Amino acid sequence: KNEVEQSPQNLTAQEGEFITINCSYSVGISALHWLQQHPGGGIVSLFMLSSGKKKHGRLIATINIQEKHSSLHITASHPRDSAVYICAVRPKPPFNTDKLIFGTGTRLQVFP
Amino acid sequence: NAGVTQTPKFQVLKTGQSMTLQCAQDMNHNSMYWYRQDPGMGLRLIYYSASEGTTDKGEVPNGYNVSRLNKREFSLRLESAAPSQTSVYFCASSTYPGTDTQYFGPGTRLTVL
Repeated sequence: KNEVEQSPQNLTAQEGEFITINCSYSVGISALHWLQQHPGGGIVSLFMLSSGKKKHGRLIATINIQEKHSSLHITASHPRDSAVYICAVRPKPPFNTDKLIFGTGTRLQVFP
Repeated sequence: NAGVTQTPKFQVLKTGQSMTLQCAQDMNHNSMYWYRQDPGMGLRLIYYSASEGTTDKGEVPNGYNVSRLNKREFSLRLESAAPSQTSVYFCASSTYPGTDTQYFGPGTRLTVL
């Protein structure tokens, strides 16, 4: 079992829909990251969270440390949101804190 | 700022050939990383460097070597390429243990025949 699990693996939506991508993890963490990888391959960091909620434009990320769970929400989805969304965690000791642990990603396609 | 740059963007090798992937960052970051990305497996850490002059193995270091030439540059070498090393390789850097946001290069698509 991976330490970081994402669901769903694949997601299709119509333009304008509200989208939720989930990330669950099994280790103690100091931070959780959401990353976006576009079809061209480039990876960009969207959010880093250690508690609560962050918002950037139509993207909202939340984390519940007690439940070891994070969600990424996209409001009013648009075809340009089509990408792979990756969750990653920075573990706390006794795990190696020097490296992130990545989920396998959620592939989102938004159709007009 | 160019951010994180990688060369080459594409490469085709024959089994047994060697090559070096170059990575440089201009953000004065301490930490640098090499990942490989394979379908269905997510990003896997090959090697990382927490500071200039130090390198450590990640999850999948076999068949690779690295050099942290200076604070800016972190290279990945394949001494004798194998088809199992066909992958997309990403270099990244961060200010960890500072703000921890990771900045990724554009990737190198490597095919080993």
